[in-house]
Amino acid sequence: KAGVTQTPRYLIKTRGQQVTLSCSPISGHRSVSWYQQTPGQGLQFLFEYFSETQRNKGNFPGRFSGRQFSNSRSEMNVSTLELGDSALYLCASTLLWGAAETQYFGPGTRLLVL
Amino acid sequence: QQQVKQSPQSLIVQKGGISIINCAYENTAFDYFPWYQQFPGKGPALLIAIRPDVSEKKEGRFTISFNKSAKQFSLHIMDSQPGDSATYFCAAVNAGGTSYGKLTFGQGTILTVHP
Repeated sequence: KAGVTQTPRYLIKTRGQQVTLSCSPISGHRSVSWYQQTPGQGLQFLFEYFSETQRNKGNFPGRFSGRQFSNSRSEMNVSTLELGDSALYLCASTLLWGAAETQYFGPGTRLLVL
Repeated sequence: QQQVKQSPQSLIVQKGGISIINCAYENTAFDYFPWYQQFPGKGPALLIAIRPDVSEKKEGRFTISFNKSAKQFSLHIMDSQPGDSATYFCAAVNAGGTSYGKLTFGQGTILTVHP
């Protein structure tokens, strides 16, 4: 089975721009979560989608948004980029969310905001 | 509020030695505790996980010890190898609740195993 794939792998943007990141979950997985990883804050939960519905959201400003398509692929968007948005953005998928479900992470998209 | 505290931040061990990483949590609603291993340029990968009704779980050279009353859990890596050099994250999950998709991670431990 192919793993979680994320595109693009690297991205350079300037302040004020917006960016869209894409995630394709493992085949059959319907739950997709997004995380931001930075040296200072570590791994922080952004949001989770299941069957095209956002079920959970972390403590991030409204500039961070996402969506999920009917094939479970997901995108996240960051508008009005700030320098502090530079991070590794990780997508994780799981079959469903319940007891002892495992999340499988993709390799991440490294975003640099200049 | 940091809900999972991990220590040490970095750890250097000689080949063949035992690596020990500790985590403590605050939220008693957590009911699933995975450990992830991350190599540079890669996403975290599940290493081993434990539920609070078990005090210890072993998989190969990796063992989780869990102390529910103290709200602490630890990862032991026996016979540490240079290939184990990576960043390790503990995490906690409220898998039975409505915290859909949310893993709460510790800050990570950078493990270096010298040959």
